[in-house]
Amino acid sequence: SQQGEEDPQALSIQEGENATMNCSYKTSINNLQWYRQNSGRGLVHLILIRSNEREKHSGRLRVTLDTSKKSSSLLITASRAADTASYFCATITGGSYIPTFGRGTSLIVHP
Amino acid sequence: GAVVSQHPSWVICKSGTSVKIECRSLDFQATTMFWYRQFPKQSLMLMATSNEGSKATYEQGVEKDKFLINHASLTLSTLTVTSAHPEDSSFYICSALGTANTEAFFGQGTRLTVV
Repeated sequence: SQQGEEDPQALSIQEGENATMNCSYKTSINNLQWYRQNSGRGLVHLILIRSNEREKHSGRLRVTLDTSKKSSSLLITASRAADTASYFCATITGGSYIPTFGRGTSLIVHP
Repeated sequence: GAVVSQHPSWVICKSGTSVKIECRSLDFQATTMFWYRQFPKQSLMLMATSNEGSKATYEQGVEKDKFLINHASLTLSTLTVTSAHPEDSSFYICSALGTANTEAFFGQGTRLTVV
């Protein structure tokens, strides 16, 4: 069963705009990871945020985590056409240690 | 960061043949590895959990005799798709649990096409 649910399922923006994707989950987690997947390709790890962290940055990426709401968000600032991809959140829960993926958000950035 | 290598990255095989996919943790020992399957435009679904030195634990609906998993060492797990059929065509990806059991690292995936 899926732990995370990304929102929105699809997002279409213009180059230069910011893109925000959300991930909600159901049970307590150890950490949450965001991945990017280009069409037909493997996963690229973006950011890992631990349950005791609230925000992390990596270049144009900003991830927040609200454990009280069981949600995380990924913000891509000043988007580029090359950011076009599917973005997934994956959670690891304390009991199982099994990474569980959400459905993903398909992002299209128009040049 | 830790690296997980998956090989091959893509493979085309004839219907009825078997295909082996390897997943290696390159710079750490992984007692636990996971295998996922992804259909086009869908999420990654967990197929099985592979533990070194013991039998894999399969998710409901996954045929263990068709998807053979071997985790013979702390750095290698293999998934063999036996008697492959076109419906087995998919993207398969492995993940290795780090030594602290709090981080999972993913391979780049294998695209299997059965013709």
